[in-house]
Amino acid sequence: KAGVTQTPRYLIKTRGQQVTLSCSPISGHRSVSWYQQTPGQGLQFLFEYFSETQRNKGNFPGRFSGRQFSNSRSEMNVSTLELGDSALYLCASSWGDRPSSYNSPLHFGNGTRLTVT
Amino acid sequence: KQEVTQIPAALSVPEGENLVLNCSFTDSAIYNLQWFRQDPGKGLTSLLLIQSSQREQTSGRLNASLDKSSGRSTLYIAASQPGDSATYLCAVAGGADGLTFGKGTHLIIQP
Repeated sequence: KAGVTQTPRYLIKTRGQQVTLSCSPISGHRSVSWYQQTPGQGLQFLFEYFSETQRNKGNFPGRFSGRQFSNSRSEMNVSTLELGDSALYLCASSWGDRPSSYNSPLHFGNGTRLTVT
Repeated sequence: KQEVTQIPAALSVPEGENLVLNCSFTDSAIYNLQWFRQDPGKGLTSLLLIQSSQREQTSGRLNASLDKSSGRSTLYIAASQPGDSATYLCAVAGGADGLTFGKGTHLIIQP
């Protein structure tokens, strides 16, 4: 069974640009959540989706947005990039309808490394 | 706001030793607690998930315990091997904010 797939693996962007990251969950998983990982802040929750609906959103500015498609694939978008947005962005999927609440373990992809210059 | 702390931040031990990693959290109203490992440049691999009603979970050489009332969890690794070298992360699920992660314990097992 294929794992969570994130594309691209690496991205280099300049300040002010926008970026779109993609995540394909494990087949059959309908929940997708996104996390930002930085050396200083560690892993921080961005948002989670189930059946194309955003269930929860973390404490990030409106420049960070996401969506989920009918096939459960998800994208996140960051507009007007800032240097501080440089991070590893991780996507996770789970079988349950509340990935952070119930008893389904999260399965993470290998992430997209975003560098903003 | 939930806060998760992991102690120690880094640990280096010789191969074969048994070791304990610690995790504490401030709000005991959790649904579950998960332990993950992360290898350099990679995503997270789920090791164990303990439901809030459970006291422990075991998988191979790994055993995780949960004391929800005191806000503590431990991950016990038996007979450590060099392949266990990684960063170990503890995360709690409390509902509206996704998972709240600790900063991790960076573990090195010396051959």
